[in-house]
Amino acid sequence: QSALTQPRSVSGSPGQSVTISCTGTSTDVGGYNYVSWYQQHPGKAPKLMIFDVNKRPSGVPDRFSASKSGNTASLTISGLQAEDEADYYCCSYAGSYIFGALYVFGTGTKVTVL
Amino acid sequence: QVQLVQSGAEVKKPGASVKVSCKASGNTFSNYDFNWVRQAPGQGLEWMGWISASNGHTNYAQKLQGRVTMTTDTSTSTAYLELRSLRSDDTAVYYCAREDSQGTHMAVWGRGTTVTVSS
Repeated sequence: QSALTQPRSVSGSPGQSVTISCTGTSTDVGGYNYVSWYQQHPGKAPKLMIFDVNKRPSGVPDRFSASKSGNTASLTISGLQAEDEADYYCCSYAGSYIFGALYVFGTGTKVTVL
Repeated sequence: QVQLVQSGAEVKKPGASVKVSCKASGNTFSNYDFNWVRQAPGQGLEWMGWISASNGHTNYAQKLQGRVTMTTDTSTSTAYLELRSLRSDDTAVYYCAREDSQGTHMAVWGRGTTVTVSS
């Protein structure tokens, strides 16, 4: 299973919007509506930001939104804030072996707030 | 709010084994599935495998097959990761992550355990 493809970096000024793409195949992103997104600040554990393509866990600001079309998922951060500067990873369920889940992560995108 | 508390940092020599633990708070341990994810220095996240706490079924990433074993102990609400025949490129932070009840994403993460493999 190959890693999902993300841009290495994106940047924007405070208040602007940025979008991160996540491209996979029909066996992962395109095959299931189970794409999740994780935010990771330096030295910290990842934090769930989006699950099941476009659902936000409780406590995640609605500035974070996501979608999917075909084999590509996208995360949009609107009204960019300084604390949004972090690495972001997409992750897709990719089916199962005999008994259970199989996941694949994206290559990661560094978001810089200018 | 469930928390996952991981064991402390480890330093191992090449060829050795390491066992990392992940203790979950709360009393519904067996209702969930757990994943292990690692991150080499300066690199991205790598999914290592999955285990069901209810029945012990596992799935491992193909590249780790034969070197990795994931287990759970429901009596102590603890998940374990064992990695054998360690190499320098196994140096990484190892995270446990609990799925939610739907089993489609990793909802709760431990703080990570640093494993350093060096001669």
